[in-house]
Amino acid sequence: DTGVSQDPRHKITKRGQNVTFRCDPISEHNRLYWYRQTLGQGPEFLTYFQNEAQLEKSRLLSDRFSAERPKGSFSTLEIQRTEQGDSAMYLCASSFAQTYNEQFFGPGTRLTVL
Amino acid sequence: KQEVTQIPAALSVPEGENLVLNCSFTDSAIYNLQWFRQDPGKGLTSLLLIQSSQREQTSGRLNASLDKSSGRSTLYIAASQPGDSATYLCAVRLSGQNFVFGPGTRLSVLP
Repeated sequence: DTGVSQDPRHKITKRGQNVTFRCDPISEHNRLYWYRQTLGQGPEFLTYFQNEAQLEKSRLLSDRFSAERPKGSFSTLEIQRTEQGDSAMYLCASSFAQTYNEQFFGPGTRLTVL
Repeated sequence: KQEVTQIPAALSVPEGENLVLNCSFTDSAIYNLQWFRQDPGKGLTSLLLIQSSQREQTSGRLNASLDKSSGRSTLYIAASQPGDSATYLCAVRLSGQNFVFGPGTRLSVLP
């Protein structure tokens, strides 16, 4: 395990469909973060897990968004009833408290909602 | 509300030049600041992490400084190379685990 992985890398869906993304963090990292990034902007924080507990959620995370990390390892981000405004790059990062929470990012999942 | 800005938005330099990228934040109550690079369509690569108690960090040709009281950080790149072309982002960590990113500086190093 050499880094954070995300699946799928690209997702094209029609408006109104549900989509689910997966993130596998670096194995010893206990903290996991989800961000959303639109073109030309920096990433925006969505939510954060410490082990399996979801400890923070941004106001950006509407009721249509849900994230889980059931066993404190991989995480999923689900978007229900997708809208065109959901089109973005969804980034996952992980960190380890003992290394000052330096974040390491995955390659991202690019979502296009038609 | 913490806001992070980066100047310039874009920069184009000839190969071999030394350059400075700037990051400013409005609330000095940060835990740390991290610099990243992002290649087009890719995820972020961590470059340097500076704790709030530190003044600077160095890695190879990169040097990042932090002046928390004035809300500023700079990333210095020495002897730039075409492979340095990317977008450079800074992010500040607030209380809890919330990180706020700047919009980035898009760097082009011309051969």
